[in-house]
Amino acid sequence: QVQLVESGGGLVKPGGSLRLSCAASGFTFSDYYMSWIRQAPGKGLEWVSYITSSGSTIYYADSVKGRFTISRDNAKNSLYLQMNSLRAEDTAVYYCARDSPRGWDYFDYWGQGTLVTVSS
Amino acid sequence: QSVLTQPPSVSAAPGQKVTISCSGSSSNIGNNYVSWYQQVPGTAPKLLIYQNNKRPSGIPDRFSGSKSGTSATLGITGLQTGDEADYFCGTWDLSLSAGYVFGTGTKISVL
Repeated sequence: QVQLVESGGGLVKPGGSLRLSCAASGFTFSDYYMSWIRQAPGKGLEWVSYITSSGSTIYYADSVKGRFTISRDNAKNSLYLQMNSLRAEDTAVYYCARDSPRGWDYFDYWGQGTLVTVSS
Repeated sequence: QSVLTQPPSVSAAPGQKVTISCSGSSSNIGNNYVSWYQQVPGTAPKLLIYQNNKRPSGIPDRFSGSKSGTSATLGITGLQTGDEADYFCGTWDLSLSAGYVFGTGTKISVL
């Protein structure tokens, strides 16, 4: 069965960095586009970044552009999110999510999430 | 800052029907498929409806979706206590800051 398992979250000071990972299994990872989506405590969902199956096309939300970098390693079935210059408002649970088979549509599987807390 | 607007909360008795609206614009709902996600508190979101009105395998037909113009609607019939959750609509946005956008979210309470 499809599984997405995030890791790498934790407590970091403002201005610090963190790298999130998402280990995928149960499907051909290299065939699917992937996204990172976050949810601040008590708030709604916010899409963060998107990467196509080959990694050739990437999009970012304006709120993280220039600070976050999405990447993937298809040989390792893994998705990553490098987060730099972190701010208090980046505090959230970060989910990795798989896009639909054709891409640019819906997110059919989500990981359990990893909590990132930015605080001094 | 969500660009898709949903009512903050909806409540109804068990067995009743509820609907949740999702209002957007021509740059998002008006030109793209809409999806709906259910999130039980403390858990990850789950896909409920995709491509406006299709249900993934395992989602009961009590859940339905529709779209008209720049708005979409989620309907739930035969409301159950297990349906208490937050519901989010979502779609791609074609504006300059292109990306996926989610609705503000609606909490369903079963009285």
